[in-house]
Amino acid sequence: QLVESGGGLVHPGGSLRLSCVMSGFTFSSYWLSWVRQAPGKGLEWVAMISVDGSKKNYVDSVEGRFTISRDNAKNSLFLQMNSLRAEDTAVYYCAREPRGLDYWGQGTLVTVSS
Amino acid sequence: DVVMTQSPLSLPVTLGQPASISCRSSQSLVYSDGNTYLNWFQQRPGQSPRRLIYKVSNRDSGVPDRFSGSGSGTDFTLKISRVEAEDVGVYYCMQGTHWPFTFGPGTTVDIK
Repeated sequence: QLVESGGGLVHPGGSLRLSCVMSGFTFSSYWLSWVRQAPGKGLEWVAMISVDGSKKNYVDSVEGRFTISRDNAKNSLFLQMNSLRAEDTAVYYCAREPRGLDYWGQGTLVTVSS
Repeated sequence: DVVMTQSPLSLPVTLGQPASISCRSSQSLVYSDGNTYLNWFQQRPGQSPRRLIYKVSNRDSGVPDRFSGSGSGTDFTLKISRVEAEDVGVYYCMQGTHWPFTFGPGTTVDIK
């Protein structure tokens, strides 16, 4: 089970931190990822992180603004989002195993608007 | 970035009839480990995406056997042998071979 939280309404330029708590599998054995979906649009990759957190990859549109991290002791994945823009408005999903995305959370909505 | 294209983008189907969605990538999806990381997802209205097929042709647990995937290199296909009402939704292909991983634009399947 993957459960996201932390979404909400934020002004342009603001910050938000998303969390995803996972259960039912050995959390520390899997790469993890964030994927987003703007309202009425398709799916877009955001970032992924290695099992120990030492490797991180971001798509260009969020590089330098978003930071993915994890806490293996708490089975938790995070996404720190800074300098938010209107185009970051989306449902953000956490998902397991980036090359396959075998399990997804229910998503949390982030709305960036003044 | 690898560009994923799907066709058609809209697919009205008759219940009980077959359906087919094509997915093409701008470069080969064969990874250095020999695997081809091409996946198919279904997103029903109001729900999170759900994976149906991984590594081209492997059906996920619980996925009905009317769904099948095939292809190689840059050309892939998802087939539904007999469409049921619960199959309505948007279908996405996704490549997990070259970072940044990318999704196709989605194909909307609905009932005629």
